Amino acid sequence: SQTIHQWPATLVQPVGSPLSLECTVEGTSNPNLYWYRQAAGRGLQLLFYSVGIGQISSEVPQNLSASRPQDRQFILSSKKLLLSDSGFYLCAWSAGRTPSYNEQFFGPGTRLTVL
Amino acid sequence: GIQVEQSPPDLILQEGANSTLRCNFSDSVNNLQWFHQNPWGQLINLFYIPSGTKQNGRLSATTVATERYSLLYISSSQTTDSGVYFCVLGGAGSYQLTFGKGTKLSVIP
Repeated sequence: SQTIHQWPATLVQPVGSPLSLECTVEGTSNPNLYWYRQAAGRGLQLLFYSVGIGQISSEVPQNLSASRPQDRQFILSSKKLLLSDSGFYLCAWSAGRTPSYNEQFFGPGTRLTVL
Repeated sequence: GIQVEQSPPDLILQEGANSTLRCNFSDSVNNLQWFHQNPWGQLINLFYIPSGTKQNGRLSATTVATERYSLLYISSSQTTDSGVYFCVLGGAGSYQLTFGKGTKLSVIP
């Protein structure tokens, strides 16, 4: 069966510090991978998605970047964190090449607080 | 893009009660999922249901795609059902999923 991991689970970082969040998926090949952010309240915002190694699409211009160095690894980064980067970051995966058709599965999330 | 509306926004239930959550959407969809976000933030897949009816234990869901709505039924609610329930939609040719604003359910003993 497929599993998705994220780490760290929680993170407290000062403003201006760098960030690296990691997401890995097991039990599947060639997944579509996604990074979402959930700020205060309920909505999830899609930040990045990737359909393959080195292929990254950004949905929202921001202080963050993403990379996919391996098929089942997705990394969210920042060179200098802002207060507004605080939130709950969720990684997700889906199968196949028609992502709008396919079920998405989410990782446990990373709760980031920028002070 | 697709518009999605969930109702009610908040719901308080006594343990053991039944409830129906509704999701209305504005356009045809290829993907409709129901998620439960528990108090720890984990998004748990409940149903992948672009059309038809499915049941899983105390939960069931029905999507009537032609009328653009989906319903999530929770029977004999338990305190562990508390959290936020999201209806999530995917449209043709898009990587973007559209999340409803959710229904926050509180089940009290």
